[in-house]
Amino acid sequence: GQQLNQSPQSMFIQEGEDVSMNCTSSSIFNTWLWYKQDPGEGPVLLIALYKAGELTSNGRLTAQFGITRKDSFLNISASIPSDVGIYFCAHFGNEKLTFGTGTRLTIIP
Amino acid sequence: GAVVSQHPSWVICKSGTSVKIECRSLDFQATTMFWYRQFPKQSLMLMATSNEGSKATYEQGVEKDKFLINHASLTLSTLTVTSAHPEDSSFYICSASASGKGYFGPGTRLTVT
Repeated sequence: GQQLNQSPQSMFIQEGEDVSMNCTSSSIFNTWLWYKQDPGEGPVLLIALYKAGELTSNGRLTAQFGITRKDSFLNISASIPSDVGIYFCAHFGNEKLTFGTGTRLTIIP
Repeated sequence: GAVVSQHPSWVICKSGTSVKIECRSLDFQATTMFWYRQFPKQSLMLMATSNEGSKATYEQGVEKDKFLINHASLTLSTLTVTSAHPEDSSFYICSASASGKGYFGPGTRLTVT
């Protein structure tokens, strides 16, 4: 089946720093979704991308749909403590949602 | 909009008993809901697709007789873990689709002792 590999697996940054993570697939996608999961909670949709090359923002978050349609990037600017969590890319295809391996973000005090 | 709820939030049960988890779409109708399982430090793994009015579609390796899914209405799907064992302890999350996006419930943590 489709595999979505996220990089890096974990990140440890200081508050105020910018964050960048990416997601690559083995297949070409028409949509990319980015979710954030807080501990003990279900994932929450952050950004949805529908067009190759598309750049979409949601506050301090920016996501881009790669030109090859096999990758996507999520950037967080000026990180704050509540950004801590696991970020998942996902693809909705074949009537189901497939998740990436996740990137765990930790903010060092 | 697009709020999904789950009940209970956390359940502890003894080995051999059955547990029912509810998933509701609160402000929209969902003909399809999805059940995921997430083990610690792992990604969400799709278990099954719940279809209103018909049988659920299970992913490979998921026992349909152990994880019973009932999609009784357009706003409710239930997952029953039958004869639960400690290895079934996990975080179970449901989701429903609206406008091509997946919206998730808050999850149910199952601990089998």
